[in-house]
Amino acid sequence: NAGVTQTPKFRVLKTGQSMTLLCAQDMNHEYMYWYRQDPGMGLRLIHYSVGEGTTAKGEVPDGYNVSRLKKQNFLLGLESAAPSQTSVYFCASSKIQNQPQHFGDGTRLSIL
Amino acid sequence: AQSVTQLDSQVPVFEEAPVELRCNYSSSVSVYLFWYVQYPNQGLQLLLKYLSGSTLVKGINGFEAEFNKSQTSFHLRKPSVHISDTAEYFCAVFTSGTYKYIFGTGTRLKVLA
Repeated sequence: NAGVTQTPKFRVLKTGQSMTLLCAQDMNHEYMYWYRQDPGMGLRLIHYSVGEGTTAKGEVPDGYNVSRLKKQNFLLGLESAAPSQTSVYFCASSKIQNQPQHFGDGTRLSIL
Repeated sequence: AQSVTQLDSQVPVFEEAPVELRCNYSSSVSVYLFWYVQYPNQGLQLLLKYLSGSTLVKGINGFEAEFNKSQTSFHLRKPSVHISDTAEYFCAVFTSGTYKYIFGTGTRLKVLA
C-alpha cells in the first residue's frame, strides 16, 4: 500500500548542480503535482500533469522542469540549483482534479 | 482572484479543550473544500472534504467542519483535543470556475498538557 513515493528523502546540493526528484504513484491517478513548502507560505504549485505525456506550469515554475513519460511517474528537475530553491518538495496525485490529493512524504533539499 | 485565508498561524490549546481552526475563501462559483493535516516530517493527509450535500462534514480523528456559503467559510472543529493532534492543518479549495486547487498557509495547532 505504497501510495505516493518520493526519492530521495534528503539531498544537499551545491549552487549550479543539477538533480532530478522522482515521484511514483501506484493508484492509477491521472493527475500529478509538484509543490514546494516554505515556512509561512503554505504549499505552492510548481508544475502539474493531467495525464501521461502532459505537463503544465503552476504558480512558481521558474528554474524547474518536469516530465511524465509514464502515467505512474512524475519527475521534477533542477537544471542549475540556486539557494532560493532550498525547500521541502512534495509530490501529490489525484484521480480527478476536484478530488483529494494524495501526498508523498517529501524531499528535503538544501542548496549551498 | 481565488484565495484561501487561514487567519491564525498558530493556535495553542490545552488538552481536552475544544478548538476551532478558521478558514475563509474567496470564490463566487461552486467550490470543493478540504482540510489536510501534516505531522512533522510527513506529507499532508486528508482529514475531511466537502463536495456537496450536508454542510456539516465529519472527518477522521473526531474532527468536523461546517461549510457556510454566506460567510464563505469552512472552519475546522474538534470538541476535545489530544496531545497527538499537535500538527499543522491546511485548508484547501478547488473551484470549478478556475479549475485551480489552492492551499491556505496553514495553522499550527499545539496541544498543551
